[in-house]
Amino acid sequence: EVQLVESGGGLVQPGRSMKLSCAASGFTFSNYGMAWVRQAPTKGLEWVATISYDGSSTYYRDSVKGRFTISRDNAKSTLYLQMNSLRSEDTATYYCTRDHGILSYFDYWGQGVMVTVSS
Amino acid sequence: DIQMTQSPASLSASLGETVTIECRASEDIYNGLAWYQQKPGKSPQLLIYNANSLHTGVPSRFSGSGSGTQYSLKINSLQSEDVASYFCQQYYDYPTFGSGTKLEIK
Repeated sequence: EVQLVESGGGLVQPGRSMKLSCAASGFTFSNYGMAWVRQAPTKGLEWVATISYDGSSTYYRDSVKGRFTISRDNAKSTLYLQMNSLRSEDTATYYCTRDHGILSYFDYWGQGVMVTVSS
Repeated sequence: DIQMTQSPASLSASLGETVTIECRASEDIYNGLAWYQQKPGKSPQLLIYNANSLHTGVPSRFSGSGSGTQYSLKINSLQSEDVASYFCQQYYDYPTFGSGTKLEIK
């Protein structure tokens, strides 16, 4: 059974940093691209970033480029999202997802982790 | 960015009814479209990919169709467990989502 378990969320002040982690199991992690998708409170879904199966390629939405970094450790089957210079508009539930290809559809989702950016 | 316009924003239907949700892309997305179901307080789950392919384990009362810029999700024989929000997503270009449809039982 595919499982994606996020951790690392919470309350953070504007301008500060936070790192999210996602532990994957139930599939060969190193064979799949992975992505982060977020959802602001009572809002829709927004793709954030994608990383290729081997970490050699990364893609970001414009609003997080230069501030967020997606990375992975295939030996630990773990995906990361380093978020710097956080803004109030980054407040959202962040979902770890398995990308079926690269920049494709998301066939499995974690339970999500809440990030609140507020002073 | 490719914009996805989803309608209706909300929908109320009776048990056993058939409902249809639509998504229109701002340009041709060549069937690069997925549908997700998000139940209250839960994470989204994939229903349909490639516009009309059913994801593993999804009941056959869900179906997808469309081409070009116009796509739809149909739910036959509405069940109480279908109460959820539904989102479309295109992946012909950098992924973008529709704004969602909230489905309730009348």
